[in-house]
Amino acid sequence: DAGVTQSPTHLIKTRGQQVTLRCSPKSGHDTVSWYQQALGQGPQFIFQYYEEEERQRGNFPDRFSGHQFPNYSSELNVNALLLGDSALYLCASSLRGQPQHFGDGTRLSIL
Amino acid sequence: KQEVTQIPAALSVPEGENLVLNCSFTDSAIYNLQWFRQDPGKGLTSLLLIQSSQREQTSGRLNASLDKSSGRSTLYIAASQPGDSATYLCAAAGNSGGYQKVTFGTGTKLQVIP
Repeated sequence: DAGVTQSPTHLIKTRGQQVTLRCSPKSGHDTVSWYQQALGQGPQFIFQYYEEEERQRGNFPDRFSGHQFPNYSSELNVNALLLGDSALYLCASSLRGQPQHFGDGTRLSIL
Repeated sequence: KQEVTQIPAALSVPEGENLVLNCSFTDSAIYNLQWFRQDPGKGLTSLLLIQSSQREQTSGRLNASLDKSSGRSTLYIAASQPGDSATYLCAAAGNSGGYQKVTFGTGTKLQVIP
């Protein structure tokens, strides 16, 4: 049984570009959450998707957007990239109300 | 708003020593508290999860306790080994508009010296 899978594992972009990160949840899970972890910091909550809708959002600008597909997989999109967007982006899936399971993350570097 | 704090930020101990990592949270209305391990550049590995109705959980050399009334959790590591070197994160899961929201601490970076 595959756990949470994220792609790509590493990504390098330049300032001003746009990026899309992908997440496939653990089998049977219907809720996907995204987190940003800057170097030396704990993960910060970006947003959560359930039934293809954004249900709650952390303190992130509108440049961060997402989508959930009917098969429960999810994408995180970031527009107009800034140097400060360099981080490890973690996806977590769960069955609503149950503990979250985390993927290995996507390391995004902005030059 | 939930805030989670971990002390100390970094810890260096000799191999074989027993140690305690601390986690405090401001909102006691949590579903559960979870401890994770993170190796450099890697994702999160779940170590122990304590439901709000429980007081502690044990796995091998690890023991985690939860005191909701005081807003504290501890992770006890017995007979530490160099392979335990990593960053340890605690995370409190609470209710936000009917959905589960997880708030992380900033972590304790542990180094076990051979």
